Amino acid sequence: QVQLVQSGAEVKKPGSSVKVSCKASGGTFSNYAIGWVRQAPGQGLEWMGGFIPMFDIAHYAQKFQGRVTITADDSTNTAYMELSSLTSEDTAVFYCARSGMEDAAPLHFDNWGQGTLVTVSS
Amino acid sequence: DIQMTQSPSTLSASVGDRVTITCRASQTISSWLAWYQQKPGKAPKVLIYKASSLQSGVPSRFSGSGSGTEFTLTINSLQPDDFATYYCQQCNSYPWTFGQGTKVEIK
Repeated sequence: QVQLVQSGAEVKKPGSSVKVSCKASGGTFSNYAIGWVRQAPGQGLEWMGGFIPMFDIAHYAQKFQGRVTITADDSTNTAYMELSSLTSEDTAVFYCARSGMEDAAPLHFDNWGQGTLVTVSS
Repeated sequence: DIQMTQSPSTLSASVGDRVTITCRASQTISSWLAWYQQKPGKAPKVLIYKASSLQSGVPSRFSGSGSGTEFTLTINSLQPDDFATYYCQQCNSYPWTFGQGTKVEIK
């Protein structure tokens, strides 16, 4: 059973960037897609974007376009989400999640990381 | 973007009740809908995918139905472990979007 293990909590200054990692322990991302989901305190789930390693293609939510970059490193089975120009509104838990593929399209999220709390504060 | 609207936002129920949550999409998504359960401080967990397929390991009291723009999640005989927040999500087209969530509380 593949486990997604995310990097630890971060505290960042407004205007800076954060890069969160997500390592597939016991498996790979090669035949899957990866998504990132933000959850602000007490709020719902918000899809930020996704990356399909087999096609080397990323899709981003318009809200985060230009500020977020999602990548994956096949050699280390690790995915990354980098978010720039941070504000206090970005204080949230960030989850990575894996999707299976069917007919070259990603399916639902069937495996989630434990979440990474990012706090943006001066 | 496809908007997903869940109702109700909060639901009070008792152990043993049958509970139904509705999710509406702003445009057709065929059957590309998943339901997730989330407990406080934990990552979401998929319950139902492709609108009506039960994820492996999920109790059979959970079921999903619908296609197009109207979907439902039903929990038969609510158990203490089921008090949580439930989200629908469309994976028909990018950007993927979630409903705002339905919190199932103890009555």
